[in-house]
Amino acid sequence: DTEVTQTPKHLVMGMTNKKSLKCEQHMGHRAMYWYKQKAKKPPELMFVYSYEKLSINESVPSRFSPECPNSSLLNLHLHALQPEDSALYLCASSQDRNQPQHFGDGTRLSIL
Amino acid sequence: LAKTTQPISMDSYEGQEVNITCSHNNIATNDYITWYQQFPSQGPRFIIQGYKTKVTNEVASLFIPADRKSSTLSLPRVSLSDTAVYYCLVALSNDYKLSFGAGTTVTVRA
Repeated sequence: DTEVTQTPKHLVMGMTNKKSLKCEQHMGHRAMYWYKQKAKKPPELMFVYSYEKLSINESVPSRFSPECPNSSLLNLHLHALQPEDSALYLCASSQDRNQPQHFGDGTRLSIL
Repeated sequence: LAKTTQPISMDSYEGQEVNITCSHNNIATNDYITWYQQFPSQGPRFIIQGYKTKVTNEVASLFIPADRKSSTLSLPRVSLSDTAVYYCLVALSNDYKLSFGAGTTVTVRA
């Protein structure tokens, strides 16, 4: 069982829909991350939150909007996505900068 | 972020030791070397992290030569359940970024 919980596990949405991905951790970690992973490719960093503030945005399109309501929660709001955005979206957390990251099992997103 | 190079795939048999070597020629002084394991449809799992010499935990060993331009992950006595993709990463000690390389697909056969 993973200590980082992501919901939903699967999501199918149309290009005009608005949906949100949720990530939760209760390990007291102060850094949280969003990654995107296409099939048979390595994860790619999208966003990093440190102490609930956006620390890194890897030039992600604005149709992806992250939010960190508190130290345990991380959301990724989705709007007007494209078919090429279909992927596994992974959330991770770590105690601090140089500490190992703990990953959730991801949300499998399909854009119709 | 330092670039890493590792073999695309490796095959092994149950009970054997698997050694995966990762090249990171432009590793910086403050960089740590970290290995993750990923099964299909799951998130990566941290295996081991080191800075120099040798690090060992209950699942693996990490060997780092003095020049730190490469590292070797050693998985002792693998089983079928060790079939996975293994990623070698080099990251700054004071940075949040992780840059995953292509990874090594390890297939363990009976």
